[in-house]
Amino acid sequence: GAGVSQSPSNKVTEKGKDVELRCDPISGHTALYWYRQRLGQGLEFLIYFQGNSAPDKSGLPSDRFSAERTGESVSTLTIQRTQQEDSAVYLCASSLLGEYTEAFFGQGTRLTVV
Amino acid sequence: GQQLNQSPQSMFIQEGEDVSMNCTSSSIFNTWLWYKQDPGEGPVLLIALYKAGELTSNGRLTAQFGITRKDSFLNISASIPSDVGIYFCAGQTNQGGKLIFGQGTELSVKP
Repeated sequence: GAGVSQSPSNKVTEKGKDVELRCDPISGHTALYWYRQRLGQGLEFLIYFQGNSAPDKSGLPSDRFSAERTGESVSTLTIQRTQQEDSAVYLCASSLLGEYTEAFFGQGTRLTVV
Repeated sequence: GQQLNQSPQSMFIQEGEDVSMNCTSSSIFNTWLWYKQDPGEGPVLLIALYKAGELTSNGRLTAQFGITRKDSFLNISASIPSDVGIYFCAGQTNQGGKLIFGQGTELSVKP
């Protein structure tokens, strides 16, 4: 498809398990973002991949969170040893780098830790 | 760190009324974006602004990039029930880097 695709759309996991969330950006978009949105809250920045430059990981809340991206393709966000406070919608967005940086979002992955 | 202050936090208006919301920053921004989020969906881009003083319209929506480059507003004219949702501003500083989001404005429209 032409938009940002995220999978799974919903994930229920037991506390302590690891989860992987996937994001397929728009083709050609060199920038990719992950955000977390708790129920009724705003968008909390997690990590930003900016082409060949080092990613901005300043928003990752703990060392249980990590993300990878190979080239300009798919990104995975991994949460290890999940906790109940990790329950949220995880949103991915992609954009071009440079002058015009309109970011387009996927539908998100709703993570529930039980 | 960098922050965007978005106001108001929520609005309750009558159908047909005009709406205005704004964002301010302590930093100079090169880009201002306005998004709308419906329940259970990802944010959808409404308007993008790239030049100080720029005024851009998209149907009943109008947004402006402040002259100081530290603020932006979004106006919605003649509101309708489907305007209900949460509106977010986002910006990128002149140092580049990540998009920073405001806290959101929740809009309710009474028919």
